[in-house]
Amino acid sequence: GQSLEQPSEVTAVEGAIVQINCTYQTSGFYGLSWYQQHDGGAPTFLSYNGLDGLEETGRFSSFLSRSDSYGYLLLQELQMKDSASYFCAVHNTNAGKSTFGDGTTLTVKP
Amino acid sequence: NAGVTQTPKFQVLKTGQSMTLQCAQDMNHEYMSWYRQDPGMGLRLIHYSVGAGITDQGEVPNGYNVSRSTTEDFPLRLLSAAPSQTSVYFCASSYYAGRDNYGYTFGSGTRLTVV
Repeated sequence: GQSLEQPSEVTAVEGAIVQINCTYQTSGFYGLSWYQQHDGGAPTFLSYNGLDGLEETGRFSSFLSRSDSYGYLLLQELQMKDSASYFCAVHNTNAGKSTFGDGTTLTVKP
Repeated sequence: NAGVTQTPKFQVLKTGQSMTLQCAQDMNHEYMSWYRQDPGMGLRLIHYSVGAGITDQGEVPNGYNVSRSTTEDFPLRLLSAAPSQTSVYFCASSYYAGRDNYGYTFGSGTRLTVV
């Protein structure tokens, strides 16, 4: 089976940097994705890492270490609108079956 | 470009009733899936499809049926609603790229309550 672990809650102040970690156990690993979901909204895709290393998209970066079964999402220059839930998801060789973590609720304070 | 359209947005069912949640996408995506999200939890995969005529079970398929007769549509049928099926249901689609992943596009969700 597949399992993912990520912290349930993270709090940070506006302008700060925050890192949300995700560790996973899965067979036939292809890659790790990150999604953002605001309260009452639908998840939106942020990034995907299929190879080790850092992927940067504006204020957001995502990192993957396949040997450590670990990844993280880095959010820089935090803004109030970044308050949301963030989910990591693993994709494996059965490309249709992606597994999502339970999410990390990020609260950005002024 | 509408993306992924789900209907209805809200639904209340009585135990034992059946209904179909509709999902349509206009991006010519091969891959479509249904997830449910319970309060404070992640998304759990119900069923998915990698192309017209092909469907498979996800993590929590019991009590649900799907079919994929066209690329655009992927309806989810609740056979006999139970209170345990109270949840928010999301439909998602993407290009089916195997090892690569271009991200899922999610619909706005259907909030279902079974009483």
